[in-house]
Amino acid sequence: GQQVMQIPQYQHVQEGEDFTTYCNSSTTLSNIQWYKQRPGGHPVFLIQLVKSGEVKKQKRLTFQFGEAKKNSSLHITATQTTDVGTYFCAGKVSGNTGKLIFGQGTTLQVKP
Amino acid sequence: KAGVTQTPRYLIKTRGQQVTLSCSPISGHRSVSWYQQTPGQGLQFLFEYFSETQRNKGNFPGRFSGRQFSNSRSEMNVSTLELGDSALYLCASMAGQPNTEAFFGQGTRLTVV
Repeated sequence: GQQVMQIPQYQHVQEGEDFTTYCNSSTTLSNIQWYKQRPGGHPVFLIQLVKSGEVKKQKRLTFQFGEAKKNSSLHITATQTTDVGTYFCAGKVSGNTGKLIFGQGTTLQVKP
Repeated sequence: KAGVTQTPRYLIKTRGQQVTLSCSPISGHRSVSWYQQTPGQGLQFLFEYFSETQRNKGNFPGRFSGRQFSNSRSEMNVSTLELGDSALYLCASMAGQPNTEAFFGQGTRLTVV
């Protein structure tokens, strides 16, 4: 079946270091979305990438969608303690559907 | 505007019992999806309802079912509960147009003992 693999599962960094999480889909995606879940919370939407090769930035966060629309990455520059949480990628095979295929998530811990 | 509301927030049930969870989406949103979140499996898609019809279904046994009402509120039912059904059940509300994001509720934490 359709799968989205996400690595690494965990990442511990010192505050100020960079962080990257990667997602790879077994099938071509219509779009990919990124969510952040704080401990004890629920997933919150960060961004959506639709076009092949698309790159979007949100302050210290940079999101990329691969040329083949099968992989994506999230890079955080100079992490802060507020970045702590689990980051999920979620792929849509078809745009006109609510079904999201989530990666397993990357849990980020930031040491002050 | 009000967010996605899930009730109850916490439930403890015994093996073999059944449970019904409720989700009220954001006003105007016609798509409601359900996900099961467990530490080992991440977020697993259960099903999606759009305009009272099941539009997508995940790979869960028939003990898991759902429905959507005309006001877009959705319910999820799990019958003959098993210990492995213990999880956080999340409801996601979407506008229904292509390429829109999901708004999640706080979830219902179900514990089966």
